[in-house]
Amino acid sequence: EGQLVESGGGLVQPGESLRLSCAASGFTFSSFWMSWVRQAPGKGLEWVASIKQDGSEKFYVDSVKGRFTISRDNAKNSLYLQMNSLRAEDTAVYYCARGRNNHRAWGQGTLVTVSS
Amino acid sequence: DIQMTQSPSSLSASVGDRVTITCQASQDIRKYLNWYQQKAGKAPHLLIYDASKLETGVPSRFSGSGSGTDFTFTISSLQPEDIATYYCQQFDNFPRTFGQGTKLEIE
Repeated sequence: EGQLVESGGGLVQPGESLRLSCAASGFTFSSFWMSWVRQAPGKGLEWVASIKQDGSEKFYVDSVKGRFTISRDNAKNSLYLQMNSLRAEDTAVYYCARGRNNHRAWGQGTLVTVSS
Repeated sequence: DIQMTQSPSSLSASVGDRVTITCQASQDIRKYLNWYQQKAGKAPHLLIYDASKLETGVPSRFSGSGSGTDFTFTISSLQPEDIATYYCQQFDNFPRTFGQGTKLEIE
């Protein structure tokens, strides 16, 4: 079924940057779209971004366009989320999830806290 | 963006009860709808895809129906392990959007 493990979360100040990583195993990573979904503390799920198998197509939620960049390295079975100009409202658990439409595999999540 | 309106936001029911959650899309999304279960402190888990297809390994007490703008998620006989928050999600268009969630509790 596959395993996803996120890393890179932490406490940062507003305006700073952070890079999240997601290590995939147990499935053919290069065959799947991959996505990031986040969840603010005590709130619901919010889709953030998705990337095609070869990286040629990327989609973002409006609130992160121009600040976040999704990327992948198929040779390393890894997904990334570069987050710049972070805001307090970006505070959330960030999950990587397999798939474009139906997320059948999820990581455990990594917490990003943006606070001064 | 497609808005997903899920109701109720919370629900309390007894073991064995039939539980129904609804999700309404702001525009026609055909059958491009998923239902996820999220238990406290855990990642979401896909239960229903394409509005009515049961994900492999998911108990048959879970079901989904609907198309277009109106969708329903049903648990035919509530079990203690079903305590969780449930979300609908459309995948007809980007950005993908989720309903606000339904928190299910046992009476």
